[in-house]
Amino acid sequence: DAKTTQPTSMDCAEGRAANLPCNHSTISGNEYVYWYRQIHSQGPQYIIHGLKNNETNEMASLIITEDRKSSTLILPHATLRDTAVYYCIVRKGYDMRFGAGTRLTVKP
Amino acid sequence: DAGITQSPRHKVTETGTPVTLRCHQTENHRYMYWYRQDPGHGLRLIHYSYGVKDTDKGEVSDGYSVSRSKTEDFLLTLESATSSQTSVYFCAISEPDSSGANVLTFGAGSRLTVL
Repeated sequence: DAKTTQPTSMDCAEGRAANLPCNHSTISGNEYVYWYRQIHSQGPQYIIHGLKNNETNEMASLIITEDRKSSTLILPHATLRDTAVYYCIVRKGYDMRFGAGTRLTVKP
Repeated sequence: DAGITQSPRHKVTETGTPVTLRCHQTENHRYMYWYRQDPGHGLRLIHYSYGVKDTDKGEVSDGYSVSRSKTEDFLLTLESATSSQTSVYFCAISEPDSSGANVLTFGAGSRLTVL
């Protein structure tokens, strides 16, 4: 399964778009890209997933490069409540494994 | 929230005692997972189940056992708790879709302290 690399931390101004990158250069053709976030000590929350095409839902957009070696999670208008640790997971199996993630801090 | 209930939510126990954490779901999902989360280590998979009586080990399974006798319940047992098992434990459930995508839904967590 592909290894993912994410920045340890990022800041974003409230109301601006937050763009969180994830590198997965060894991804294989049938592996999905999943994004979750964890706010403080709550259980992780699913955000979005994709295989090849860009995806959008009510929470975020997921942009996957054409070669699928990296992706970007976009929160279009970040709020203080979006401050959390964001996890990018690439997996085809069902034993989902989380890395360290990116700690996003949204600042007023 | 999806129907996942973890119990107990908080437990303090002593080294050497057995502990069982319970995860109960009302979603009839096939897959169930136990994770632990410690500062500096993020979420680590302990065990998971892909059906009744079907379980497999994750990254950090030593010192833990699991059982799934019913679709709705997944039990995590520490046969003899140690201080290194002090952690927050999260249960998750999933039902892969027809394309193979597997989205997890997590419970609220169980905080275990082993003195």
